[in-house]
Amino acid sequence: AQSVTQLDSQVPVFEEAPVELRCNYSSSVSVYLFWYVQYPNQGLQLLLKYLSGSTLVKGINGFEAEFNKSQTSFHLRKPSVHISDTAEYFCAVSSGGSNYKLTFGKGTLLTVNP
Amino acid sequence: NAGVMQNPRHLVRRRGQEARLRCSPMKGHSHVYWYRQLPEEGLKFMVYLQKENIIDESGMPKERFSAEFPKEGPSILRIQQVVRGDSAAYFCASSPVDNEQFFGPGTRLTVL
Repeated sequence: AQSVTQLDSQVPVFEEAPVELRCNYSSSVSVYLFWYVQYPNQGLQLLLKYLSGSTLVKGINGFEAEFNKSQTSFHLRKPSVHISDTAEYFCAVSSGGSNYKLTFGKGTLLTVNP
Repeated sequence: NAGVMQNPRHLVRRRGQEARLRCSPMKGHSHVYWYRQLPEEGLKFMVYLQKENIIDESGMPKERFSAEFPKEGPSILRIQQVVRGDSAAYFCASSPVDNEQFFGPGTRLTVL
């Protein structure tokens, strides 16, 4: 069975500050890792994904994440946030194979203040 | 290429009624996933379908819930005899052969 833990339910930051949203996972098999963003009353949009290869993954809107197998982590970072980054962020894992169902964390609400 | 479509966007039902949620995948996508998001929680997997087949329904409640993805037409998530605990946002995602899932805007079900 897989599980995802997002360590912070809320992260408030000031505009132009750096931010890190933490994600840890557990799985008995190789995994694919994802970060999604959800704006109020909308669906989920993929920010970035790790499937294989380089452990540093760059995504949209200036976000990046690093896969750390030994620490089973996939933390999301952005060097300078904007007001428009205010949203809920979800980390997710799938095991691939023939079934790519996603297991999600509970989400982190990022609030960017002026 | 239109994205994943879900309708209705908002659905209000009284206890005991039936709810039907529709999902039209992106063009060319033959895999559909349904997820449920309860207030202040992440999304929980419900069911994974391919055309005319249920591949994995391990996240579906044993009673009152069913899903289908017919050869023609949208995927349907059906909830019979709704209860207040069914109130949630239901999201559909579609994917092509690989593993990237594209999400629809969701249907927000309110049970009175």
